[in-house]
Amino acid sequence: GQQLNQSPQSMFIQEGEDVSMNCTSSSIFNTWLWYKQDPGEGPVLLIALYKAGELTSNGRLTAQFGITRKDSFLNISASIPSDVGIYFCAGQLVTYGQNFVFGPGTRLSVLP
Amino acid sequence: NAGVTQTPKFRVLKTGQSMTLLCAQDMNHEYMYWYRQDPGMGLRLIHYSVGEGTTAKGEVPDGYNVSRLKKQNFLLGLESAAPSQTSVYFCASNIQGIDETQYFGPGTRLLVL
Repeated sequence: GQQLNQSPQSMFIQEGEDVSMNCTSSSIFNTWLWYKQDPGEGPVLLIALYKAGELTSNGRLTAQFGITRKDSFLNISASIPSDVGIYFCAGQLVTYGQNFVFGPGTRLSVLP
Repeated sequence: NAGVTQTPKFRVLKTGQSMTLLCAQDMNHEYMYWYRQDPGMGLRLIHYSVGEGTTAKGEVPDGYNVSRLKKQNFLLGLESAAPSQTSVYFCASNIQGIDETQYFGPGTRLLVL
């Protein structure tokens, strides 16, 4: 099936640091979503991107839809303890109907 | 407004047993989805439904069946559970064409022995 790669797989950062993670694929996507999952919970949408080159912010989070339409980036500024969780990217393929493909996730740990 | 709910939250099955997972949403969403989540693999689509009475296969449909008899409910069935079906199952729903946001339930943790 279709595959999305996320990097890094996991990261440990100090509280207050900025975080960057990305999502790449060999396929072209027409929509990118970023989700956060807390332990024992379902994923919650953080940011949605609909156009190549689009840069969208949600509080301390900023995400970009790559120009090639094959990647997306998520940045978190001034991390806080509640940023801990798994961050998933999801892409909607033109050829996959209305469904989304999810990446394997980036696990973020924030050290006090 | 409860959003998306799933029952049960946790279940242990023996190999060969059957069970049904229930997903309910009160947002009048047309589209509903069942995913499974395994370590290091993200979410994989099992089956989905674009409306009451319709279902379609996703990426990993084998060993599962679904039904959407009512718009608000989407059932996932395992006729003969296998250890490979040990996973966390998530249901989601959305309104296509208006908002791509998929709203997820809290998950059902299934262990097949």
